Amino acid sequence: EVQLVESGGGLVQPGGSLRLSCADSGFTFSTYWMSWVRQAPGKGLEWVAMVKQDGSEKYYVDSVKGRFTISRDNAKNSLYLQMNSLRAEDTAVYYCATGGGSGMGYWGPGTLVTVSS
Amino acid sequence: QAGLTQPPSVSKALRQTATLTCTGNSNNVGNQGAAWLQQHQGHPPKLLSYRNNNRPSGISERFSASRSGNTASLTITGLQPEDEADYYCSAWDSSLSAVVFGGGTKLTVL
Repeated sequence: EVQLVESGGGLVQPGGSLRLSCADSGFTFSTYWMSWVRQAPGKGLEWVAMVKQDGSEKYYVDSVKGRFTISRDNAKNSLYLQMNSLRAEDTAVYYCATGGGSGMGYWGPGTLVTVSS
Repeated sequence: QAGLTQPPSVSKALRQTATLTCTGNSNNVGNQGAAWLQQHQGHPPKLLSYRNNNRPSGISERFSASRSGNTASLTITGLQPEDEADYYCSAWDSSLSAVVFGGGTKLTVL
């Protein structure tokens, strides 16, 4: 069975950095586009970033361009999100998911990122 | 980045049919089609439909999706209490080179 598990969330001060990880088990990680999606408390879903199977293409929502970097390590079946210059508005539950524009099929349980002083 | 437009809430009676809509433009829904996700409170989303009307394995036939022009729709027949949830549409936007989501529709089953 497919299982995605995020880690790396926590409390960070404005301007700080965090690195989120997403580990896969149960399917062929390298065959999927992978995405990060976030959900602020009480709000809707917001797509953050997406990376192609081989890492050659990456896309970001405008609000995180230049601050966040998505990457993957297919040898480790892992997806990452490096988040720098964090702002209060980045506070959210961050999900990793398989796929992207045509639909995201499998989701992790999410990890909470809180940006606050 | 502009998102897709969904009605904030829909209420329908038990065993009735609900149709949820998602309006975009020719760069996203009208071109690439839409996906639909269901999210229960405190849980991650679950994919119900992708590329307009393809259901992943295990998704009930009570859920069906369609598209007309720039508007995608999700129809849920025979409403059950467990269908009460938030529903989101998403699509690839070729002009933005980004995935866009709708704001979500909260479905209440009366």
